Amino acid sequence: DQQVKQNSPSLSVQEGRISILNCDYTNSMFDYFLWYKKYPAEGPTFLISISSIKDKNEDGRFTVFLNKSAKHLSLHIVPSQPGDSAVYFCAASGRAAGNKLTFGGGTRVLVKP
Amino acid sequence: EAGVTQFPSHSVIEKGQTVTLRCDPISGHDNLYWYRRVMGKEIKFLLHFVKESKQDESGMPNNRFLAERTGGTYSTLKVQPAELEDSGVYFCASSQAYYGYTFGSGTRLTVV
Repeated sequence: DQQVKQNSPSLSVQEGRISILNCDYTNSMFDYFLWYKKYPAEGPTFLISISSIKDKNEDGRFTVFLNKSAKHLSLHIVPSQPGDSAVYFCAASGRAAGNKLTFGGGTRVLVKP
Repeated sequence: EAGVTQFPSHSVIEKGQTVTLRCDPISGHDNLYWYRRVMGKEIKFLLHFVKESKQDESGMPNNRFLAERTGGTYSTLKVQPAELEDSGVYFCASSQAYYGYTFGSGTRLTVV
């Protein structure tokens, strides 16, 4: 029973173009969502987050969009850079879960120069 | 400040043996978490300490796993006896604030 799903295991994009990563969730109790980036042999590092009271949050080249009615969020990276090549994890949490995170399976992004 | 440190970075053990993973959180972080990623799949929650107390251990797979946090500082995760399905990457994270997690680099455990 996977409550957070990232249906695209991989994504390839040209440098300078937009990368769009998608994430779906099933638990309506989730009210906080995060994106993490992971390089090989390293732990996940926090990228950006969004609370359920918002539908958009922007930080530099990274923007997260939340569609609560569809239980869907997306991460936009624009422009994409070769250093953005990594695995990206979507994660969700809710007050009932304390601050335990439920992760998706990850999307591997390759940015081609 | 020093990050979250995990030791060892890699461990290869035989089925039935015991392995102990260690995590040193960021100094001053009361919250310490263990997660693991098996077979390249999603990262799954194992348990959460607040200082030396177990706040939530709902993700611990079975009683072969024992986590401790001595004096509210470093934590250990012992697997005894190890089984093949325990192979994966074990991540530790710590936080001071509610969602301000910092993850360690992980311990890659291989059970053969």
